Amino acid sequence: GEDVEQSLFLSVREGDSSVINCTYTDSSSTYLYWYKQEPGAGLQLLTYIFSNMDMKQDQRLTVLLNKKDKHLSLRIADTQTGDSAIYFCAESIKDTGRRALTFGSGTRLQVQP
Amino acid sequence: EAGVAQSPRYKIIEKRQSVAFWCNPISGHATLYWYQQILGQGPKLLIQFQNNGVVDDSQLPKDRFSAERLKGVDSTLKIQPAKLEDSAVYLCASSPLVSGEQFFGPGTRLTVL
Repeated sequence: GEDVEQSLFLSVREGDSSVINCTYTDSSSTYLYWYKQEPGAGLQLLTYIFSNMDMKQDQRLTVLLNKKDKHLSLRIADTQTGDSAIYFCAESIKDTGRRALTFGSGTRLQVQP
Repeated sequence: EAGVAQSPRYKIIEKRQSVAFWCNPISGHATLYWYQQILGQGPKLLIQFQNNGVVDDSQLPKDRFSAERLKGVDSTLKIQPAKLEDSAVYLCASSPLVSGEQFFGPGTRLTVL
């Protein structure tokens, strides 16, 4: 079955790096995503990684995937107050057209000035 | 490019009443999803459409929830009758047929009293 878990809360100081962690259980996951949700807003796709990759970097964001441990992380370099939000890890499985996402419960990132 | 549009943004009803939500996906996106996000949790899939056909509605409480996408574009989600536990944000997302990337609307926040 599909299950995605995340820690609930992370607090960092402005300018530090943030690392948000996620574990998933389904070994057949094809895509793994990171979404950002600000208060009262919808979900914004930050980045995604294919399950055959180990790392993906996009400006301040670095995604690391450890398939053996089924562990995904999102590192935000030089964290800013505007990065304060809830971050969701999600997986999808390419299975006969069903590509719905299974989300974790979200990690609330608080950035202190 | 216009994003996913949803209306209304907020709705307050009493239990046992009916309510309907509307979603207009990004132009050309064949796949449309409805997710339910209860406070403090990640979104959970209710139903997935591809064009005007249902791909997955296994998690839709069919005794009270219904959804349609008659012309393969707009979609409506209805709850009849509503229960207190239906209080949540209802998110609509769409994706192109080839890519799995999903784009989310701002959501409709439903409060059932």
